Amino acid sequence: GNSVTQMEGPVTLSEEAFLTINCTYTATGYPSLFWYVQYPGEGLQLLLKATKADDKGSNKGFEATYRKETTSFHLEKGSVQVSDSAVYFCALSPMNTGNQFYFGTGTSLTVIP
Amino acid sequence: DGGITQSPKYLFRKEGQNVTLSCEQNLNHDAMYWYRQDPGQGLRLIYYSQIVNDFQKGDIAEGYSVSREKKESFPLTVTSAQKNPTAFYLCASSIGGLGGPDTQYFGPGTRLTVL
Repeated sequence: GNSVTQMEGPVTLSEEAFLTINCTYTATGYPSLFWYVQYPGEGLQLLLKATKADDKGSNKGFEATYRKETTSFHLEKGSVQVSDSAVYFCALSPMNTGNQFYFGTGTSLTVIP
Repeated sequence: DGGITQSPKYLFRKEGQNVTLSCEQNLNHDAMYWYRQDPGQGLRLIYYSQIVNDFQKGDIAEGYSVSREKKESFPLTVTSAQKNPTAFYLCASSIGGLGGPDTQYFGPGTRLTVL
């Protein structure tokens, strides 16, 4: 079946630290992979996506590379800011499943000055 | 500006009452979705619709109902049969109709509290 396993939080980092949030997936075929960000009290915003193996999605300093050999899509940022404090969700959209999505459980990130 | 709107942002309901949450999109998307999010939890799919006048149950449909009479609108009714309705409700839409990978876009959410 299809599933996403995401690194448990919460994660607390100092400003300018390096961020990695791990995400691995199970899916048949070639799904699309996503990272969404949710700020307190708000909906989810699409942060980045990748649609095929070895693609790198990037946005606002965040990056993630679609690794089919390790079925992973880890989120990274070289230098986090206080404004990056939020909950991050990894998700996949499989092939041929009527447009359904599968979400990880979310990882809460707090960046302290 | 294209996007998804949900109203109201906060909603209070007495036990035993039905309540309807609004979701409207002007992205010309075929597919729409409703999710429930509990504190510190991930998203759980309630209902989804891939086309007007058609919808399917998600993982936690009991106690909820939906309609899809117009492409741009997908209201969710939380009925009195839903035992624990207090939660944050998120509506999403996607292009749909592809039968394959797609991208979902989310509204700002409605926080429902049952008093």
